[in-house]
Amino acid sequence: AQSVTQLGSHVSVSEGALVLLRCNYSSSVPPYLFWYVQYPNQGLQLLLKYTSAATLVKGINGFEAEFKKSETSFHLTKPSAHMSDAAEYFCAVSEIDGNKLVFGAGTILRVKS
Amino acid sequence: ETGVTQSPTHLIKTRGQQVTLRCSSQSGHNTVSWYQQALGQGPQFIFQYYREEENGRGNFPPRFSGLQFPNYSSELNVNALELDDSALYLCASSPDSLSNSPLHFGNGTRLTVT
Repeated sequence: AQSVTQLGSHVSVSEGALVLLRCNYSSSVPPYLFWYVQYPNQGLQLLLKYTSAATLVKGINGFEAEFKKSETSFHLTKPSAHMSDAAEYFCAVSEIDGNKLVFGAGTILRVKS
Repeated sequence: ETGVTQSPTHLIKTRGQQVTLRCSSQSGHNTVSWYQQALGQGPQFIFQYYREEENGRGNFPPRFSGLQFPNYSSELNVNALELDDSALYLCASSPDSLSNSPLHFGNGTRLTVT
């Protein structure tokens, strides 16, 4: 079965600083990977997805993620944090037999002014 | 286009009762998935429906059941509620059930069991 590990349940950065949220996956086959963001009292919004077309994936709101097979990682980055980026971020991997996602435990991003 | 809508937004039930949660999928989507998100955790897959048939189930007991209707809307039913069923229940739709097809989530139903 697939699994996802997100390192760091809480990350705090200053406004304008680099954002780096870590995600490692385990999969026996090339995976499909996703990053979602959840604002308080809302559902999940898709930030970006990796579907093997390119290892560097660009998403919405200036976020991007790089798929590294050798490290089984799919870390999320943003060059300059904005106050509106404060939210919880989830990394997820699809099961082999369809889009039944396995989520990590999430990382809460705090942005300090 | 109309997104995924869920009702009700909040619900309080007593242990042992039954509850039905509803979800309208995004226009053009034939696949609906349900997830349970306990406080401080990531969403956990409950089950998925594709064209009115169950298309996979997570590690949840049979008292969690569902339906998908011809218009692709869906219901999640939970019988004999337990305190641990308190969570945010998320519905997500997608245009198909392929592994690379992203899910579009509703805002969820917050269920509290007392």
